Order: sequence, then C-alpha cells, then structure tokens
Amino acid sequence: AIQLTQSPSSLSASVGDRVTITCRASQGISTTLAWYQQKPGKTPKLLICDASSLESGVPSRFSGSGSGTDFTLTISSLQPEDFATYYCQQFNSYPLTFGGGTKVE
Amino acid sequence: EVQVVESGGVLVQPGGSLRLSCAPSGFTVSDNYMTWVRQAPGKGLEWVSDIYSGGSAYYADSVKGRFTISRDNSKNTVYLQMSSLRAEDTAVYYCARGPTPPRPIVVYWGQGTLVTVST
Repeated sequence: AIQLTQSPSSLSASVGDRVTITCRASQGISTTLAWYQQKPGKTPKLLICDASSLESGVPSRFSGSGSGTDFTLTISSLQPEDFATYYCQQFNSYPLTFGGGTKVE
Repeated sequence: EVQVVESGGVLVQPGGSLRLSCAPSGFTVSDNYMTWVRQAPGKGLEWVSDIYSGGSAYYADSVKGRFTISRDNSKNTVYLQMSSLRAEDTAVYYCARGPTPPRPIVVYWGQGTLVTVST
C-alpha cells in the first residue's frame, strides 16, 4: 500500500500567515492526490484534486502543487475559518490511503 | 440537493456483525462512485471500501474478508456488511459519494454513523 506522510502533524499559526503543509508518498503517484479540510465536529471538505486543481467555491488563498512523491498545500494568508485539520489522499492505486493529518491551530 | 444519510451504527460486541445503510437523496447510487470512510475517535481518516457504478468493489486490507459493500438499486441504497468486528473497528463511518464523472475521491459526505465495538 502507498503510504502518505504529512508534515508537520500540527502547526501553530496566526491570521495572515502563509502556511505550507507537505505530503510525501512512499512511491510515485503522478498527480493523483487530493486535499481535504476537516473542522472539529464536521465532515471533511474537498479542497483540491489532481494535486493542484482547486474545487469550485474554495477560496483562491488555497493552492496545491507537486507530482510524483512530494506535494504541498499552501494557504497564502491564513483566515480565522482556516483553523482545521488537513488531510491528503492518494487515488493512484488501491488501497486508497489518507495522510495522517495536519492540525493548524 | 445531494444528501447522504447513513444509519445502522450501534454498540456491538467483539466478533459480532452489523450492517450499515446509506440511503442518499438527490442522486442515484448505481450511477455514482460510492465509498465508506471511517474515523476512529480523535484519529484521522481511513478509507474502508468503495463500489463503482459498474459494480467493481475494493477494500482496505484491514477489513478485507470481513466487510462487504453492496448496493440495492431498487432501494437506492448502499450497504456495508461488517462481520468479525474488532475493537479497532470502532469509528464513525461515513458514507460518501464521488464526483461526476466517477473518481475515487469524495465530494459529498454523510454525517456519519458511530460503530462501537466493545464488551
């Protein structure tokens, strides 16, 4: 199974900060990676698909990049509503896998 | 409006069985990619199983041979039959739907149903 390692597992940031989260795959997955945001007590929300394609309605301060084994999710200017846990997911091959999550607090 | 509603989560003893149901509204399950994702208390997301419109189904290694995903088109319902349950299966189970055209990612999530495996 392809393992996804997210770093850091948590980070402390302030409103207005630029935040970068990384996701590393144990083998190459091209751009078959998605990013989700989950707020406490809520269901996850799809932010980005295909490593860099922003989902409709997602603010442009979110961006994704990478291919192969190394990926990043960037929030250009952190807003109060962005404090949440972020997960990456690979859909290159089965079994599908999620990263362990990064909590932005 | 697309809605996904799960049911069936309860307290069950180790070794027991349980069937979760997912009865969405606003779309037809047989036309869509449907999946189950679980989240243990305070933990991250774990993909469990999925089923495509053509009927192909896949499972996580941790549940293979114990869980079965199925679909009843007449009832527009997806099921997750779980057997030989273990304490580590305790989690909120989300039923979810992928995008159109179908891809193994999640766009629409149910609110989840809690399965607790304990004596």
